[in-house]
Amino acid sequence: KNQVEQSPQSLIILEGKNCTLQCNYTVSPFSNLRWYKQDTGRGPVSLTIMTFSENTKSNGRYTATLDADTKQSSLHITASQLSDSASYICVVSAKSGGGADGLTFGKGTHLIIQP
Amino acid sequence: GAGVSQTPSNKVTEKGKYVELRCDPISGHTALYWYRQSLGQGPEFLIYFQGTGAADDSGLPNDRFFAVRPEGSVSTLKIQRTERGDSAVYLCASSPTVHTGELFFGEGSRLTVL
Repeated sequence: KNQVEQSPQSLIILEGKNCTLQCNYTVSPFSNLRWYKQDTGRGPVSLTIMTFSENTKSNGRYTATLDADTKQSSLHITASQLSDSASYICVVSAKSGGGADGLTFGKGTHLIIQP
Repeated sequence: GAGVSQTPSNKVTEKGKYVELRCDPISGHTALYWYRQSLGQGPEFLIYFQGTGAADDSGLPNDRFFAVRPEGSVSTLKIQRTERGDSAVYLCASSPTVHTGELFFGEGSRLTVL
């Protein structure tokens, strides 16, 4: 069964600090992995996409990594800001669809940035 | 607007009532998805459409839930005989193609069943 596990479930850090969120998956055959940011009361917004051949990708202060061998991804946030407070959801896509269009969602990490 | 539009943004109803939630996707997007999200959880798949047809409705929890997309654009999620357990945020997303995971989400419709 395809699964996506995220950790930690929640995280509180001080403004300006760095943090790393983890995503482990068992989706097969793997197509791509996306990190979404979901602000409270809003819909998720895509931050990055990682394909099989990509190890790291940055989007401003966000850097995503992918290890396709261990089936792990991380999202590193540098110099956190109050606006980074949100839920971060890992979504893994399987090739050729399958159920739910082959998308498996993690439950998300709830990040709180404190001033 | 250019994004996915969902209405109503909030809906409060009584147990046993019928509810319709509407999604207007990004123009030209062929794939449309419905998800349900409870507090502190990730989105839970309900159904997705390719064009007018439901390509996969395996996530619909029971026969009280039904969704249509008659002209391949706007979709309506219909819930009959609502129950308190149906209370959640219902998210709609659209995608220009399928199998890519590139979803553009609406802001959601928050349903509260009293």
